[in-house]
This record gives sequence, structure tokens and C-alpha cells, in this order.
Amino acid sequence: EIVLTQSPATLSLSPGERATLSCRANQSVSSDLAWYQQKPGQAPRLLIYDASNRATGIPARFSGSGSGTDFTLTISSLESEDFAVYYCQQRSNWPSFGQGTKLEIK
Amino acid sequence: QVQLVESGGGVVQPGRSLRLSCAASGFIFRSYAMHWVRQAPGKGLEWVAIVSYDGRNKYYGESVKGRFTISRENSKNTLYLQMNSLRAEDTAVYYCVKDLGLDPSIAAAGTFEYWGQGTLVTVSP
Repeated sequence: EIVLTQSPATLSLSPGERATLSCRANQSVSSDLAWYQQKPGQAPRLLIYDASNRATGIPARFSGSGSGTDFTLTISSLESEDFAVYYCQQRSNWPSFGQGTKLEIK
Repeated sequence: QVQLVESGGGVVQPGRSLRLSCAASGFIFRSYAMHWVRQAPGKGLEWVAIVSYDGRNKYYGESVKGRFTISRENSKNTLYLQMNSLRAEDTAVYYCVKDLGLDPSIAAAGTFEYWGQGTLVTVSP
């Protein structure tokens, strides 16, 4: 079973700041990793797939990097609508998700 | 635009059954693998099941294996989830999800491109 661990659990930042979210796998998932954004009461939205590819319609301020076991989602300059919960997810084995990082306004 | 509309959720007693449906539109349904993903109240996301584009291949998460059955009817652009022997821990919002589908092989599936709004299943006496 592939376990994904996200850090930090909560990240408090201000609009305009840079956000860096981490996701670590307990074994290699190659580049088979995606990131999702979920706002309260809404379904998740795909942001990044295959570690570094932005999904359709996702702003350029969102970027993903990493391979193997260590991955990063970076939001270059936070907008008010970016405050949400972010999940990483692997598809190298049966799909599994990290526990989420809550990005909150400082 | 892609639309996925789930239905069939509700309150059910432990041990009983429920069938969820998902009506798809805005894309060529028969060309994509489809998934069910669930989220318990206040918790994270859990993948439940996948069905290949043609319905021939199906795989399940460990927690539902042997109790849930995923299926699809391509002529009706509809995805289903038959849930039997329901337990309290199955209480969740169930999302119907379209696979990204860059590769038609089910082995390459598992990126969740579009999500429905979800339907709540509550298992309670």
C-alpha cells in the first residue's frame, strides 16, 4: 500500500505570498502524482497531473514538481480564492490520497 | 461542458443495499474509464472503484471489495454503484468521477479529471 503524507497539515499565509505544499510517498510513485483543490461544500478540482502538468483552465501561478517519493505544489502568489484544502494523490498503484493540507488566510 | 450528476443517495440501515447512479454528459462517455470516490464527513478522500471504458474491467478499494459493484451503461451515458451490506463506515459523500484518460489502458488510469457534485449516503439505524 502506498501511503502519502502531506505537510504541513495547516499553512497560514497572506494573499500575495508564496505557498509551498509537500507530499511524500512511502515508496516511489514515479511521476504518477496529482494535486487537487477542494473548497468547503464543493467537489475537488484537478490542478496538476503527472507531477507537473497543469490541468485545463488552471492558472499559471499553480505549479507542481518532483518525482519518486517527494513532490511539491507551489502557488507563486496567493489569491483570495486559493485558500482551500489541497490533496495529493498517486496512481502508481491503486489510487490513494494524502490527508490534505489546509491553506488558510493569516 | 462536462456534467456528472449523481443520484440515489439517502439514509439506509446497516446491512441494507443502495444503488447510486451518475448521468454523464458533455463528453464521449464510452471512451473513458470512470470512478467512484467517497469522502466521509469532515474527512479526506478515498477511491472506491474504477470501471474501464467498455465495462469489462473493474477494480475496487479494499474496504468495499466483495460488497460494492461498479457498472456502466454506455448506451445511456450512465455509471452505477451497487452497494450491498452497508456499514456505518460507508457513510460519505460519493462522487462520480471521469478519468483523465490520456491512455486508454486501465493500468494507466487514476487521474480524476472531472467530478460530480456528490450524493450523500448515510448508514444509520
